[in-house]
Amino acid sequence: KAGVTQTPRYLIKTRGQQVTLSCSPISGHRSVSWYQQTPGQGLQFLFEYFSETQRNKGNFPGRFSGRQFSNSRSEMNVSTLELGDSALYLCASRGVSGANVLTFGAGSRLTVL
Amino acid sequence: DAKTTQPNSMESNEEEPVHLPCNHSTISGTDYIHWYRQLPSQGPEYVIHGLTSNVNNRMASLAIAEDRKSSTLILHRATLRDAAVYYCILRPVNNDMRFGAGTRLTVKP
Repeated sequence: KAGVTQTPRYLIKTRGQQVTLSCSPISGHRSVSWYQQTPGQGLQFLFEYFSETQRNKGNFPGRFSGRQFSNSRSEMNVSTLELGDSALYLCASRGVSGANVLTFGAGSRLTVL
Repeated sequence: DAKTTQPNSMESNEEEPVHLPCNHSTISGTDYIHWYRQLPSQGPEYVIHGLTSNVNNRMASLAIAEDRKSSTLILHRATLRDAAVYYCILRPVNNDMRFGAGTRLTVKP
């Protein structure tokens, strides 16, 4: 069973640009959650999508947005990038039955210059 | 937002047991207790979870206090590969899972 795939793995942007990150969940998983990880703030919850609907949302500005497609793949977008947006962005998928645990991808490391 | 409290760091010697504590005094009756760990340069990985009873799997054991206000993750024989940040998280009914700072475990050879 393939794991959670995040693309791109690394990217560099400049302030003011926007970025789109992609996450392909484990086959059959309908829930996708996004987290931002920085050395100072640790793992911060961004949002969770389930069946194309945002179900939970963390405390981030509106520049951070996401969506989920009918095949459960998800994208997150950050507009008007700031230096502080430099972070590892992690995606996790979850099945709807069983242990209900999160399976994380390797992350997308964003550097904003 | 984290509803759990963990020590910032702990040290262990290789091949000795490690007990990682977690306090969750505001836990509700429907919250599951989950543990994840994050190895260097990797995303977090699931370790174990439980609701009321103690749990064992191939990676670890989870001991849950009778009042459920605390739990302990037990690594029976720590190896160098167990050096990681360990997160104790509560999973509520709505599955809104927030990570705290976790405990950084150092394993000394």
